[in-house]
Amino acid sequence: DTGVSQDPRHKITKRGQNVTFRCDPISEHNRLYWYRQTLGQGPEFLTYFQNEAQLEKSRLLSDRFSAERPKGSFSTLEIQRTEQGDSAMYLCASSLMTGGVETQYFGPGTRLLVL
Amino acid sequence: RKEVEQDPGPFNVPEGATVAFNCTYSNSASQSFFWYRQDCRKEPKLLMSVYSSGNEDGRFTAQLNRASQYISLLIRDSKLSDSATYLCVVIGGGYNKLIFGAGTRLAVHP
Repeated sequence: DTGVSQDPRHKITKRGQNVTFRCDPISEHNRLYWYRQTLGQGPEFLTYFQNEAQLEKSRLLSDRFSAERPKGSFSTLEIQRTEQGDSAMYLCASSLMTGGVETQYFGPGTRLLVL
Repeated sequence: RKEVEQDPGPFNVPEGATVAFNCTYSNSASQSFFWYRQDCRKEPKLLMSVYSSGNEDGRFTAQLNRASQYISLLIRDSKLSDSATYLCVVIGGGYNKLIFGAGTRLAVHP
């Protein structure tokens, strides 16, 4: 499968625990995005990487959230001291700009439940 | 006010019906527009881009009205497999981050 992959697909954790999610983008895609989606809403932008550089962060991304893309390939999103309000689907997307057009391809998401 | 607004539905239509979804966006500087489809508990998938001149892909037609900041999606001859949530998406500036509406649910019944 050459699409975007995410791991784990589901995570249940207790409030206060730390969690880390991984995203493997489509090979050679230099842009990588993280979004969060809660029930009944569309995805909301969290952060963006071009290669290994994190170029934009949403104000939704509190100090408890950190994202990395150390070698410009896979990315991780860590949430420290999880809260019940962090329960959501975390989606990763990657893209490659071609001819001035960019299409973002989404992974299957990691569904987080904080108890 | 949300940056992208959609009627949440649900739209319940019989097979073969024509259904139209509307969407408005608040940022007049937006440059790119899309419709994504999302099946229950799945990731969003690009359905089609939306161009100023309007564009058609089989049974699907998308229109953009920049003056009114309005986007539409028309589905003709609805199929059961069209049942999904349709997300209106705008690129709102700054590194091409997608700004999604909350989605419109479509249920096509026999």
